[in-house]
Amino acid sequence: DGGITQSPKYLFRKEGQNVTLSCEQNLNHDAMYWYRQDPGQGLRLIYYSQIVNDFQKGDIAEGYSVSREKKESFPLTVTSAQKNPTAFYLCASRDRQGNSPLHFGNGTRLTVT
Amino acid sequence: AQSVAQPEDQVNVAEGNPLTVKCTYSVSGNPYLFWYVQYPNRGLQFLLKYITGDNLVKGSYGFEAEFNKSQTSFHLKKPSALVSDSALYFCAVRDISSGSARQLTFGSGTQLTVLP
Repeated sequence: DGGITQSPKYLFRKEGQNVTLSCEQNLNHDAMYWYRQDPGQGLRLIYYSQIVNDFQKGDIAEGYSVSREKKESFPLTVTSAQKNPTAFYLCASRDRQGNSPLHFGNGTRLTVT
Repeated sequence: AQSVAQPEDQVNVAEGNPLTVKCTYSVSGNPYLFWYVQYPNRGLQFLLKYITGDNLVKGSYGFEAEFNKSQTSFHLKKPSALVSDSALYFCAVRDISSGSARQLTFGSGTQLTVLP
């Protein structure tokens, strides 16, 4: 089955450590996205990529970094510079058509203590 | 700029009754509009979208939504609610004319609870 796989489902880290969240898709989608979800705030865009080796900042990119070396993969690194990293992180992808919907993974819940 | 508002944080409805989850939007051009549903600790699932044409859009699981351009609304509806419809619902908008690949702007979500 085609889809988006995020791993791990739960992640615990100590403050001051960088952590990388994995996102892999086999939908052959060009565009991939990272969102952060906090209670009562909906989804906020962190980074997005329309094509391999290219990516752009979203609304809340500070403290995060990404890479897009392969079409299928779009890992997100939460750095120690991110002030409030504890959140639910969602990866999504879509194909080129402007009206195509996003397909989401099942998320990674990151807890930093 | 584009924005979307979901005025109700919580909607409660009895099983078998009709349900409505409200959404209003703001764009400078014409909108693409989407509804997604999220179950606990899961990603969002696409329900339906409005692109152009018929103002009444039918989607998955018996849901439908009505596009109203004059009221800039895109309310989600279902004629008869099920307990299994209980979830978090998100409305999202994209301005067609923006030419932006930043994709969608999401509302803050509405928690729907269907009471048995």
